Amino acid sequence: DIVMTQSSLPSPVTLGQPASISCRSSESLVDIDGNIYLSWLHQRPGQPPRLLINKVSNRLSGVPDRFSGSGAGTDFTLKISRVTAEDVGVYYCMLCTHPTWTFGQGTKVEI
Amino acid sequence: EVQLVESGGALVQPGGSLRLSCVASGFTFGAYWMSWVRQAPGKGLQCVATMSSHGDKKFYEDSVQGRFTISRNNSQNSLYLQMDRLRAEDTAVYYCVRADSLWALDFWGQGAQVTVSS
Repeated sequence: DIVMTQSSLPSPVTLGQPASISCRSSESLVDIDGNIYLSWLHQRPGQPPRLLINKVSNRLSGVPDRFSGSGAGTDFTLKISRVTAEDVGVYYCMLCTHPTWTFGQGTKVEI
Repeated sequence: EVQLVESGGALVQPGGSLRLSCVASGFTFGAYWMSWVRQAPGKGLQCVATMSSHGDKKFYEDSVQGRFTISRNNSQNSLYLQMDRLRAEDTAVYYCVRADSLWALDFWGQGAQVTVSS
């Protein structure tokens, strides 16, 4: 089974400063159709997760442009260009491994 | 507006059964794969069951295989999770989740709390 391992962040992070979360896979994430279905979720305390980015770097409508996703092969990154107070919570990388989904262990952002 | 509303969560004794329901609105329910994802207290996310848009394909996580059954009724825009022989380790918030066309879980319900304890 594929294992997704996320990096941690210093606690607390500094408002207005950039933050970067790494997600590394135990094996290549390329699907049989040549795509990589790697996404990022954000979960605020007491709330369900919210999808921020799908297919590595595609930011969803309504997601602030300070969030960006990148990566290839087995290494992927979520970057927040300038952290704001509303960015607190836990971030998860998520991979579709048909017909299920595998999640990283989560990275907590505290301010 | 896409909405997923779960119900049926409860406190149940080990070995007992529970049926979760999820009613969808705001989108063409029958066109989407759907999943149940759970989150144990203070823990991460785990996909426990997935069903294809027409209900012809199902997948279960190993720990629930043979105990949980996912089903759907597209005419009623509803997804279900029948949970039998429940164990303490099944205690979690269970989310009803939609899978989008890019194979991401894009909309999540508010969740249903399932507690298995004597």
